[in-house]
Amino acid sequence: EAQVTQNPRYLITVTGKKLTVTCSQNMNHEYMSWYRQDPGLGLRQIYYSMNVEVTDKGDVPEGYKVSRKEKRNFPLILESPSPNQTSLYFCASSSGQGIAKNIQYFGAGTRLSVL
Amino acid sequence: AQKVTQAQTEISVVEKEDVTLDCVYETRDTTYYLFWYKQPPSGELVFLIRRNSFDEQNEISGRYSWNFQKSTSSFNFTITASQVVDSAVYFCALSEALNDYKLSFGAGTTVTVRA
Repeated sequence: EAQVTQNPRYLITVTGKKLTVTCSQNMNHEYMSWYRQDPGLGLRQIYYSMNVEVTDKGDVPEGYKVSRKEKRNFPLILESPSPNQTSLYFCASSSGQGIAKNIQYFGAGTRLSVL
Repeated sequence: AQKVTQAQTEISVVEKEDVTLDCVYETRDTTYYLFWYKQPPSGELVFLIRRNSFDEQNEISGRYSWNFQKSTSSFNFTITASQVVDSAVYFCALSEALNDYKLSFGAGTTVTVRA
């Protein structure tokens, strides 16, 4: 089954404790992105990757890091989480070609609480 | 910069009523894509439709229909004969052809269908 898998689904942590949210897709998509969803703001892009070793900032990159060492994986790293990073996070992937070009498919989401 | 506005924060209807969700967008590009996503209470994001800027034909899929009007920069979504299962948050989104890995989302409209 074609899917984007995020882990964990729920995470409660404390300020300053480094964490990683993993994302993996099995559709051989070139593009991957991370978004955060906050009430009244919709989804905002944090980082995106156009292919292996190619990443760039989205609209709200402060406090986050990403890496793309393999095509299927795109982890989101919070080196020193702060309470304003409490949010619902989504990973997405899309193909850069073909009939489904640029349709982003989303993971199930990770709800993060930073205390 | 691209921008999507969903002015309706919440809509509540009784089952079998029709409901129309408004979406207004801004972009400087002549080639762009518009999307609608559904987020049911379970939280995942479900792709509903993609429309490119050169195709203004309205589309119908079952009880769902979409009205794209470039003259008013709108891409409205109508649910006909609503059902309780249509209760969800609906997001309109935009990507520009030169940056089609980047989706800009509206704030979302919460639709509640009462039995």
